[in-house]
Amino acid sequence: EVQLVQSGAEVKKPGESLRISCKGSGYSFTSYWIGWVRQMPGKGLEWMGKIDPSDSYTKYSPSFEGHVTISADKSISTAYLQWSSLKASDTAIYYCARDNTDIAARPNDYWGQGTLVTVSS
Amino acid sequence: DIQMTQSPSTLSASVGDRVTITCRASQSISSWLAWYQQKPGKAPKLLIYKASSLESGVPSRFSGSGSGTEFTLTISSLQPDDFATYYCQQYNSYSVTFGGGTKVEIK
Repeated sequence: EVQLVQSGAEVKKPGESLRISCKGSGYSFTSYWIGWVRQMPGKGLEWMGKIDPSDSYTKYSPSFEGHVTISADKSISTAYLQWSSLKASDTAIYYCARDNTDIAARPNDYWGQGTLVTVSS
Repeated sequence: DIQMTQSPSTLSASVGDRVTITCRASQSISSWLAWYQQKPGKAPKLLIYKASSLESGVPSRFSGSGSGTEFTLTISSLQPDDFATYYCQQYNSYSVTFGGGTKVEIK
């Protein structure tokens, strides 16, 4: 069974750093890109970027490039989303999702459960 | 970036109604269009990919059509489980974008 399991909720202060994770199982982790999606409170979905875990090649949305870093450790089938200096406007739920575009033309076919990040002083 | 415009933003309907949601792309995306359903507190669920292909396990009352810049998601007979928010997504380019969402409410 394909699963993406994300790390737990975080409460941080502005200016702090953070890394959240997404662990894949039940499939070949290096065969599919992993994407990240933001959902601010009461708002829609925003695509942030994606990573190819086989070589860590990344592609970012212009809206997020330079503000976050996407990485992966294929040895433990885990992708990461990190911030070096959080802002209150980073408060949101962050989802990871498997990207199956290259193999089956299906974009985000499996999703993690979401990680709530709250940034408040 | 390719912009995706969904309409309507909210839709009130009754069980059994035929429901249609529209998504327009700012430039041609061929058939690289997906539809997702999201319920409160849950992750999105893939319904349709490549504009008209039904994801495995999704009821056949859901269908998608269109190509180029105009796409539609149709629910042939709305069921109680279908009240949710629906998003379109283009994946024509490396930079993926979502539509703003359509909330389907009970009339």
